[in-house]
Amino acid sequence: QVQVQESGPGLVKPSETLSLTCTVSGYSISSGYYWGWIRQPPGKGLEWIGSIYYSGVTYYNPSLKSRVTISVDTSKNQFSLKLSSVTAADTAVYYCARAFKGYYYMDVWGKGTTVTVS
Amino acid sequence: EIVLTQSPATLSLSPGDRATLSCRASQSVSSYLAWYQQKPGQAPRLLIYDASNRATGIPARFSGSGSGTDFTLTISSLEPEDFAVYYCQQRSNWITFGQGTRLEIK
Repeated sequence: QVQVQESGPGLVKPSETLSLTCTVSGYSISSGYYWGWIRQPPGKGLEWIGSIYYSGVTYYNPSLKSRVTISVDTSKNQFSLKLSSVTAADTAVYYCARAFKGYYYMDVWGKGTTVTVS
Repeated sequence: EIVLTQSPATLSLSPGDRATLSCRASQSVSSYLAWYQQKPGQAPRLLIYDASNRATGIPARFSGSGSGTDFTLTISSLEPEDFAVYYCQQRSNWITFGQGTRLEIK
């Protein structure tokens, strides 16, 4: 079955760029679906960051758009997140997920990876 | 930005009870609303999409209703594994989530 898994540094310094990768297994990204990033600060709710289609079409949360880049590498069956100029407010568990019905609903989620900005 | 307000913040019930969770949108989202369940230390799990459609593998005791600005997630008879935090999510205007309802054992 389809699985997604996040990877990347668990600690990022303030003002630097957070970089995470999501590896997809059991399904070829090139076959379709949107793929997205969602985050959850400690003890708080969920925030959608953005989504990407295998062709490279992206949609970003307007509140983060100036700092976010999501890209896809179909040869590696991966997609990635870059968040620039991070602050302590960006400390969160970051999830990658598959979306369906466009980029709208997330039906397959990774376990999440904790990123601390300090 | 569309704001989703969930109520109550915490709901205390017993196994076998019926649970009713509410999600209200700051403006109409038509039927473009989903519900997720999240247990401690786990990723969210999609339960309902487009207000009333159960996601794959979701038990029939979970049902969703509503349209416009008022939505409800109903769990007909609580099982021990249903105690968790529940989030609503809209897709009418970008994507936003509610703040969550914690369903705890009474």
